[in-house]
Amino acid sequence: KAGVTQTPRYLIKTRGQQVTLSCSPISGHRSVSWYQQTPGQGLQFLFEYFSETQRNKGNFPGRFSGRQFSNSRSEMNVSTLELGDSALYLCASSSAALRARNTEAFFGQGTRLTVV
Amino acid sequence: DAKTTQPTSMDCAEGRAANLPCNHSTISGNEYVYWYRQIHSQGPQYIIHGLKNNETNEMASLIITEDRKSSTLILPHATLRDTAVYYCIVRVGVGNTPLVFGKGTRLSVIA
Repeated sequence: KAGVTQTPRYLIKTRGQQVTLSCSPISGHRSVSWYQQTPGQGLQFLFEYFSETQRNKGNFPGRFSGRQFSNSRSEMNVSTLELGDSALYLCASSSAALRARNTEAFFGQGTRLTVV
Repeated sequence: DAKTTQPTSMDCAEGRAANLPCNHSTISGNEYVYWYRQIHSQGPQYIIHGLKNNETNEMASLIITEDRKSSTLILPHATLRDTAVYYCIVRVGVGNTPLVFGKGTRLSVIA
């Protein structure tokens, strides 16, 4: 079956702009998580959505937001972009339901965002 | 913060077994050990996970010490395509808690 699909793969934005990234999870997966990867901070958890509800949230400013649609597709938005937001943004999907035993997460290829 | 300690880098000869250690001395009874790897410019890839028994799948074996304070990921016959950063992660067994990535071990498989 198809894997996790993230679009676009590459993006260049200017400081102050906003950006929306998209993630389509594996069919049947209802949990979508977002991570930011930078050379300095490594892989950091942004937030997780399950059945259209944000279930977990990392330690990022309010400029970072997300949502999930009824078909489990998810988007994340970053407003008022800063140079430090340049990173690889990764999306992961899993089938884990609330209070259910954890399952492995499957990652997409990521969206590389460059802020200039 | 990550609850695991891994060596920064390791080398392994192609065709030999790669043994990647991980220390998780503060692991709790309900926490599993997960391993992921990230090949350059790709998303992380799940390898294996375990609670206290040793586990094996088509990719690797996971050996967890009896006191569960450390573990070793074994790639039995490393190939050049196994060159990647390997992350050892401790994670509660239920509730879909986020994966907390540390720095990982950069494994270089050498021909």
